[in-house]
Amino acid sequence: DSGVTQTPKHLITATGQRVTLRCSPRSGDLSVYWYQQSLDQGLQFLIQYYNGEERAKGNILERFSAQQFPDLHSELNLSSLELGDSALYFCASSVGSGRASEQYFGPGTRLTVT
Amino acid sequence: DAKTTQPTSMDCAEGRAANLPCNHSTISGNEYVYWYRQIHSQGPQYIIHGLKNNETNEMASLIITEDRKSSTLILPHATLRDTAVYYCIVRVDYHNAGGTSYGKLTFGQGTILTVHP
Repeated sequence: DSGVTQTPKHLITATGQRVTLRCSPRSGDLSVYWYQQSLDQGLQFLIQYYNGEERAKGNILERFSAQQFPDLHSELNLSSLELGDSALYFCASSVGSGRASEQYFGPGTRLTVT
Repeated sequence: DAKTTQPTSMDCAEGRAANLPCNHSTISGNEYVYWYRQIHSQGPQYIIHGLKNNETNEMASLIITEDRKSSTLILPHATLRDTAVYYCIVRVDYHNAGGTSYGKLTFGQGTILTVHP
């Protein structure tokens, strides 16, 4: 158990819908990262927040957005869902923000868009 | 991130040491070598990381060559539960427009390690 929790574990929804994925970081960690894993793209970095502020963006679509709240939990919002958005979405957390801080991953949310 | 090269797959007998190689010939002086593993659709699990010196923890040992162009992850006594995809990642600090650093992980294809009874 990494100490990072994600809800829900599974999500099935229809195209065009909007969903929210939730992540609680390890106690004491200030950074939260979101990653997407699909069969054809592998694990890809989406976005990072550090202590409530957006720190970096990766391959995140404009239909997707995220935020980190004062209690440091984070939400990833996916809207206008398409079939291609079906994937595993992982949240990770770390104490710091840079290369020396190991990231710990949650169990993921499996999103299926039908 | 510096590009890494790993074998696509490896086999290991249960109870034996598993030695997973990684080439990172373009690594720079301030880039860390990280190892993660992913057991079938679970979240990636942090194993170990190092900069220049060899490192050991309760899970594994990391051996980095003196020129830092390659490294080896050693699982001293592999078990069936060590069957997973192992990712070698070289990390550097990125900087956003405001100059603050961030440290995304860039995953490649990894090595599929299969531990046999």
